[in-house]
Amino acid sequence: EPEVTQTPSHQVTQMGQEVILRCVPISNHLYFYWYRQILGQKVEFLVSFYNNEISEKSEIFDDQFSVERPDGSNFTLKIRSTKLEDSAMYFCASSEEGTVISNQPQHFGDGTRLSIL
Amino acid sequence: RKEVEQDPGPFNVPEGATVAFNCTYSNSASQSFFWYRQDCRKEPKLLMSVYSSGNEDGRFTAQLNRASQYISLLIRDSKLSDSATYLCVVLHIKAAGNKLTFGGGTRVLVKP
Repeated sequence: EPEVTQTPSHQVTQMGQEVILRCVPISNHLYFYWYRQILGQKVEFLVSFYNNEISEKSEIFDDQFSVERPDGSNFTLKIRSTKLEDSAMYFCASSEEGTVISNQPQHFGDGTRLSIL
Repeated sequence: RKEVEQDPGPFNVPEGATVAFNCTYSNSASQSFFWYRQDCRKEPKLLMSVYSSGNEDGRFTAQLNRASQYISLLIRDSKLSDSATYLCVVLHIKAAGNKLTFGGGTRVLVKP
């Protein structure tokens, strides 16, 4: 069964450094997402991406965050200057084309644990 | 009021018993609903979609009540492997992409 893959599985970074989290969505999927989950808290939406642009972002997704699809397979999340509170699990997800009549579920990667020191 | 609200539990369930729990949502425009399962420190995995007429998948039954804005999940004949956190997830469909809103999860512990 095709799956979303994320690398690295664990990233340890000094506060203030830039970090890039990588995701390879399922190949025929067109919609891509990033979510995060702070330890012990709920999963929170960060951003959705379609047709090479952000379609929606949450208030968490401030100017420190950016997403990119640099080639036909990768989807990346960059945090420019990390803060302690960015420590969390970051999940990438993808779904098939979602139209207004579609309710295609999103498939999640197994996450990147980001630890900011 | 939280967008998606769940009883955090834990629900301690004897093996073989039935357990049921609900989730309420505040946005009446919410269009689709799912139950995801999350094991400790793992990614959410889709358990089942929730349809208006209610639906069943093996030992799992999901119901949707749009009038009262809640969904439910019932697990019959609980197995030890059912121990997990069950996430109620609401989907808002937009032309440019869909957004999932997660509840905080209901923790279920199945014990021998």
